[in-house]
Amino acid sequence: GAGVSQTPSNKVTEKGKYVELRCDPISGHTALYWYRQSLGQGPEFLIYFQGTGAADDSGLPNDRFFAVRPEGSVSTLKIQRTERGDSAVYLCASSSQVGAGTEAFFGQGTRLTVV
Amino acid sequence: GIQVEQSPPDLILQEGANSTLRCNFSDSVNNLQWFHQNPWGQLINLFYIPSGTKQNGRLSATTVATERYSLLYISSSQTTDSGVYFCAVVGYSGGGADGLTFGKGTHLIIQP
Repeated sequence: GAGVSQTPSNKVTEKGKYVELRCDPISGHTALYWYRQSLGQGPEFLIYFQGTGAADDSGLPNDRFFAVRPEGSVSTLKIQRTERGDSAVYLCASSSQVGAGTEAFFGQGTRLTVV
Repeated sequence: GIQVEQSPPDLILQEGANSTLRCNFSDSVNNLQWFHQNPWGQLINLFYIPSGTKQNGRLSATTVATERYSLLYISSSQTTDSGVYFCAVVGYSGGGADGLTFGKGTHLIIQP
């Protein structure tokens, strides 16, 4: 596609429920990143994929968070047993090459609200 | 990990004014990007500038990698320039993490 696409745009869920957030990167982009942005803060890194594998998941806050990218394109961020503190905007980004010295492009984000 | 500090945190200007936003970082970088986050939350790429100087219309940016800072210049501000400006970096010594580290942003308000 022309840009990074994230669905849904907004998600409201009850505490304790399971949610999945989808990211469709720019076509042909090898690297894919997930970030989380809380109100009034800059985005914080969660996980980074090179192709199908998670190259770095050091930013995931705990084991309730998991992400997959089974075919090296679309990625899904999965959150189990959601808590009110998980409420934030979840951003996905992609870049054309693996490695740090490559420009990243962001989607519009999914606003998750846990009630 | 690498630290990123942006200043000023808030800036209110009249339309037509010029501004300079600063980003300081604590370690050598191999990626530095400036973004504008619009009121709808979209992060718009302004510059990919780990070193050197670039210009795009009314915006320009300079990164002095040896002194660990970058500057974003906005000239002849327009109300549509309002929003939050983020600087984000990837440090050389990131321990394998290639994710961007963001500053807290500069919140710019341009008044008509």
